[in-house]
Amino acid sequence: EPEVTQTPSHQVTQMGQEVILRCVPISNHLYFYWYRQILGQKVEFLVSFYNNEISEKSEIFDDQFSVERPDGSNFTLKIRSTKLEDSAMYFCASNPTVYNSPLHFGNGTRLTVT
Amino acid sequence: GQQLNQSPQSMFIQEGEDVSMNCTSSSIFNTWLWYKQDPGEGPVLLIALYKAGELTSNGRLTAQFGITRKDSFLNISASIPSDVGIYFCAGLAGGNAGNMLTFGGGTRLMVKP
Repeated sequence: EPEVTQTPSHQVTQMGQEVILRCVPISNHLYFYWYRQILGQKVEFLVSFYNNEISEKSEIFDDQFSVERPDGSNFTLKIRSTKLEDSAMYFCASNPTVYNSPLHFGNGTRLTVT
Repeated sequence: GQQLNQSPQSMFIQEGEDVSMNCTSSSIFNTWLWYKQDPGEGPVLLIALYKAGELTSNGRLTAQFGITRKDSFLNISASIPSDVGIYFCAGLAGGNAGNMLTFGGGTRLMVKP
């Protein structure tokens, strides 16, 4: 069964550094998402992306965050200047259509900011 | 924003027992999803519910979409050790809320062999 794949599985970075988290969504899917999960807490929506632009974003997704689909397969999340509170699991997800279509999640990237 | 209240937060049961967990909301959702998350992995879809009143099974799992569209439950029958994990409900409001999933706080299930 096709999967959403994410790299790296774990990223350690120093506060203030830029990080890029990478995702390869399922190939025939059109909608892409980033969610994050702070340790022990619920999964929170960050941003959705369709047709090469952001379609929705949450309050968490401030100016430090950006997303890009640089080619036909990758979908990236960039955090420009990481803060300690950015430490979390970041999950990429995709689905083929918007309405009533379950999201398929990757295994996540654990980001640790020191 | 929209919130989902999931209960219980954790359960510690004996292998073979049945389990029930639920989610409630003050607002309506058009789709309810149940995911399971194992340590170090992403959420894996268990059951998707699309219509109010819908009752759907997936093996030993059964979930229902509440008539009011504001709640859903998940039952697991005859639990086994591999059922251990965190179960999340998630709702999709649609409309102006688009395709943003709102997650519940999770139910941590522990099964004693």
